[in-house]
Amino acid sequence: KNQVEQSPQSLIILEGKNCTLQCNYTVSPFSNLRWYKQDTGRGPVSLTIMTFSENTKSNGRYTATLDADTKQSSLHITASQLSDSASYICVVSATGNQFYFGTGTSLTVIP
Amino acid sequence: GAVVSQHPSRVICKSGTSVKIECRSLDFQATTMFWYRQFPKQSLMLMATSNEGSKATYEQGVEKDKFLINHASLTLSTLTVTSAHPEDSSFYICSAREFSGKQFFGPGTRLTVL
Repeated sequence: KNQVEQSPQSLIILEGKNCTLQCNYTVSPFSNLRWYKQDTGRGPVSLTIMTFSENTKSNGRYTATLDADTKQSSLHITASQLSDSASYICVVSATGNQFYFGTGTSLTVIP
Repeated sequence: GAVVSQHPSRVICKSGTSVKIECRSLDFQATTMFWYRQFPKQSLMLMATSNEGSKATYEQGVEKDKFLINHASLTLSTLTVTSAHPEDSSFYICSAREFSGKQFFGPGTRLTVL
């Protein structure tokens, strides 16, 4: 069964600290993996997209990693800011453009 | 970057009325548009996939007669929630996929049915 699981479900960190969010998937055949940031009451915004051959991709303070062998991905946020408070969603797509959504990690950055 | 808009951003209606939500790709042509529903603290749930000029494909459990989807052009898709009830209150998000395969999400529409 194609599934995407994210952990932790929620996370609270102090401003300026780093954090890492996890995404494990069983989607096959794999096409790509995307991380999205979703602010409350808004649509998701793409942070990174990685294909099978890519194992690291950065977007500012966001760095995503992908291990296609173990089917794991992580999103590392460096020097967190209050504006990073949001839900982070991992989306894995299979060939044929089927998308599978994780349940998200709710991040709260406190001053 | 590519922009997808939704209108309205929020709507409050009485039970039994119908509500239409528009999704537009503003600077690209969308071969396919997707409609999602998101309940509080949950992830997005795909409702249906629509291609321009053809009937939408609905996910299991989604009533096609209740959630009418029209994809009249490569830049516009509409979702009509017919005879809305309080349990239809949710956050509805569309996304549009361009020819290259990139997918972009709209900002969402908050529907509240009283």
